[in-house]
Amino acid sequence: NAGVTQTPKFQVLKTGQSMTLQCAQDMNHNSMYWYRQDPGMGLRLIYYSASEGTTDKGEVPNGYNVSRLNKREFSLRLESAAPSQTSVYFCASRSSVDTQYFGPGTRLTVL
Amino acid sequence: AQSVTQLDSQVPVFEEAPVELRCNYSSSVSVYLFWYVQYPNQGLQLLLKYLSGSTLVESINGFEAEFNKSQTSFHLRKPSVHISDTAEYFCAVSIPNTGFQKLVFGTGTRLLVSP
Repeated sequence: NAGVTQTPKFQVLKTGQSMTLQCAQDMNHNSMYWYRQDPGMGLRLIYYSASEGTTDKGEVPNGYNVSRLNKREFSLRLESAAPSQTSVYFCASRSSVDTQYFGPGTRLTVL
Repeated sequence: AQSVTQLDSQVPVFEEAPVELRCNYSSSVSVYLFWYVQYPNQGLQLLLKYLSGSTLVESINGFEAEFNKSQTSFHLRKPSVHISDTAEYFCAVSIPNTGFQKLVFGTGTRLLVSP
């Protein structure tokens, strides 16, 4: 049982480049989330998907787009990366008992 | 809107000593409360949660937290810490029964356990 998986684990981009962070869960959860974690700021919600086919903005959505490809997969895209997007990105899914399960994270550096 | 305050960014403690990590929240409605733990270079894991019922909740590895509605607090305690408890701990809240769970996190407390 893999839980929540994320790829890649590490990525270095140059300003203006684009990339997609992949996330998949095998727990049959409806709700999925993307967070970013920055030192001293905790986790902030970027986008979420309450169920397959729906997505909505969180606290810090600017510069990002998402796709809920199916029930398992929820991807995060940076169209034109900026140094301010250097962060650790976590994907999570939520069980029916209000517990969120987190992936191992993607460490992104934008130069 | 809800907010969570973790005043201590770092708590150093010796092995086998007791520890308390503080969490206060602000909300105009009832909330669910959570503590998540993040070990180095890993994602977050749920440590314990309060949804309803007994205000004292416990984890399987000896941590406990008590929901205090009058003080809007949910402090995390352990009577005797181990080196392996070194991690970052996040307090979070959500609004119950909204059909969708949005967690609001505190800024985290780094617990450093030394021999």
